[in-house]
Amino acid sequence: QKEVEQNSGPLSVPEGAIASLNCTYSDRVSQSFFWYRQYSGKSPELIMSIYSNGDKEDGRFTAQLNKASQYVSLLIRDSQPSDSATYLCAVRIGGNQFYFGTGTSLTVIP
Amino acid sequence: DVKVTQSSRYLVKRTGEKVFLECVQDMDHENMFWYRQDPGLGLRLIYFSYDVKMKEKGDIPEGYSVSREKKERFSLILESASTNQTSMYLCASRDRGYGYTFGSGTRLTVV
Repeated sequence: QKEVEQNSGPLSVPEGAIASLNCTYSDRVSQSFFWYRQYSGKSPELIMSIYSNGDKEDGRFTAQLNKASQYVSLLIRDSQPSDSATYLCAVRIGGNQFYFGTGTSLTVIP
Repeated sequence: DVKVTQSSRYLVKRTGEKVFLECVQDMDHENMFWYRQDPGLGLRLIYFSYDVKMKEKGDIPEGYSVSREKKERFSLILESASTNQTSMYLCASRDRGYGYTFGSGTRLTVV
């Protein structure tokens, strides 16, 4: 069983809409949760981290964590074509090791 | 900003060659990691290190080794390159309590 699961997509949204990306994880002792954005041919870039239940907002991005249901999501408001990328969910399960999902491809259509 | 620098952006090597991938970080991070990324398989951890001269195997260490002689430098070694090691290799470093910072990646092709 995979530690971290994401829908691979592709997810397409029109410009200005809200993009919703979801991630589930299997280990209940997971401690820290991260969202990375990866443009084609580039390395992942950290965009959000969340450690406790609830919502965390940073500009147009909102991360949501529900530990009871073991999911974490990322909302992108007012989506822009520049948001088109693959979004990776990462979970830290004790120690230093992170587990990554395989990523969701997002396309924002102008 | 934390900078993680990988020495090569693209590499082409022959089967059986010994290959060195270098990674340097400039923020005094204790923890450094090597991943490979393949389509459909995502990021898979090869090795990590939490201190100088310390190393731990990740999920797919076979065919690889690492070296960390100085805190800022973490090297990945392919002892005898094979075609199934053609991949994107990503180095990352991390300070406690924070997420990873990735290098720009090395796309290795083994022919």
